[in-house]
Amino acid sequence: DGGITQSPKYLFRKEGQNVTLSCEQNLNHDAMYWYRQDPGQGLRLIYYSQIVNDFQKGDIAEGYSVSREKKESFPLTVTSAQKNPTAFYLCASSLLYNTEAFFGQGTRLTVV
Amino acid sequence: GEDVEQSLFLSVREGDSSVINCTYTDSSSTYLYWYKQEPGAGLQLLTYIFSNMDMKQDQRLTVLLNKKDKHLSLRIADTQTGDSAIYFCAERPGNQGGKLIFGQGTELSVKP
Repeated sequence: DGGITQSPKYLFRKEGQNVTLSCEQNLNHDAMYWYRQDPGQGLRLIYYSQIVNDFQKGDIAEGYSVSREKKESFPLTVTSAQKNPTAFYLCASSLLYNTEAFFGQGTRLTVV
Repeated sequence: GEDVEQSLFLSVREGDSSVINCTYTDSSSTYLYWYKQEPGAGLQLLTYIFSNMDMKQDQRLTVLLNKKDKHLSLRIADTQTGDSAIYFCAERPGNQGGKLIFGQGTELSVKP
């Protein structure tokens, strides 16, 4: 089945560690996005990529890094510089000028 | 700037209609969207409307767009307990590579 897959579903991180969240899609979509969701704040854009080997910062990129080496994959690294990383992270993809963005099921990151 | 606003909560009785409202600021937005999120899950696209339309109907869902006032609404007819979820309004600003700007989400509670 075609779709967008995030892993893991739950992730625990110790303070001071970097962690990487996986996002893979087999929809042949050009664009991929990472959003962060906090209660009562909706979704905020972290990074997005419109083409392989290129990506742009969103509204809250500080403390995060991404790569886009393959069209299918857009991993997000939450670095130790991110002050408050506990949140629900959502990955999405779309054809570049299409109407619909498809979302993964999310990764809940908790700092312990 | 880009901003999307929604009220945070709505409670209705089963069988009633629900109306969820949203305001946005970017007049260049080409598409406006309604997404549904169930607990612990990703976002599911419910419907969208192109900015040159006033209304779109899809089964129990009716979207109304007042472009002059930058106001969008989602009406759910014959609301069921399975409609209980968080509903997000989103706009897609023109010429920004497909990124979406989300509202805070409206939590719809349907009481039997």
